[in-house]
Amino acid sequence: GQQVMQIPQYQHVQEGEDFTTYCNSSTTLSNIQWYKQRPGGHPVFLIQLVKSGEVKKQKRLTFQFGEAKKNSSLHITATQTTDVGTYFCAGPYSGTYKYIFGTGTRLKVLA
Amino acid sequence: DGGITQSPKYLFRKEGQNVTLSCEQNLNHDAMYWYRQDPGQGLRLIYYSQIVNDFQKGDIAEGYSVSREKKESFPLTVTSAQKNPTAFYLCASSIGSGSTYEQYFGPGTRLTVT
Repeated sequence: GQQVMQIPQYQHVQEGEDFTTYCNSSTTLSNIQWYKQRPGGHPVFLIQLVKSGEVKKQKRLTFQFGEAKKNSSLHITATQTTDVGTYFCAGPYSGTYKYIFGTGTRLKVLA
Repeated sequence: DGGITQSPKYLFRKEGQNVTLSCEQNLNHDAMYWYRQDPGQGLRLIYYSQIVNDFQKGDIAEGYSVSREKKESFPLTVTSAQKNPTAFYLCASSIGSGSTYEQYFGPGTRLTVT
């Protein structure tokens, strides 16, 4: 079945360092979404990418969708303690409202 | 304020008892979802519903049941047949039409079964 994997599973960085998480799907995705879940909280939508090779930025966050639409990445520049949490990617099963979430990358930022 | 509410935030039950988790949304969204999250893990889809009176099984539906009698409500029942019910349960909704399926999540219910 369709799978969405993320690497790394965990990442500890010093405040000010950069961070990247990668998302890989076993099938081509029509779009990909990214969510952030703070410790003890619920996932919150960050962004959606639709086009092949698309790059979007939100302040220090840069999101990229691969040319083949099977992978994506989230890059955070100069991490801050407020970036702590788990980042999930999610892709839809073709033609459905059903999304499959990646395994998530848990980010810890050391002050 | 528009959003999704889940109640209760914490729920404790004895093994062998059925329990129903509430999920209500006032966003006028067509699609609703139930996910299960175990410690340190991702979200796994239990059930989803695209419209009222219709729902489909997700990846881990065994031991769970749902209903969608109203657009704004999508309760989840964890039955005694669910072997490992202790988990964090998240309800979500999305517009369900057009090109954007952004999901809005409720605050979740932490269920502990002993």
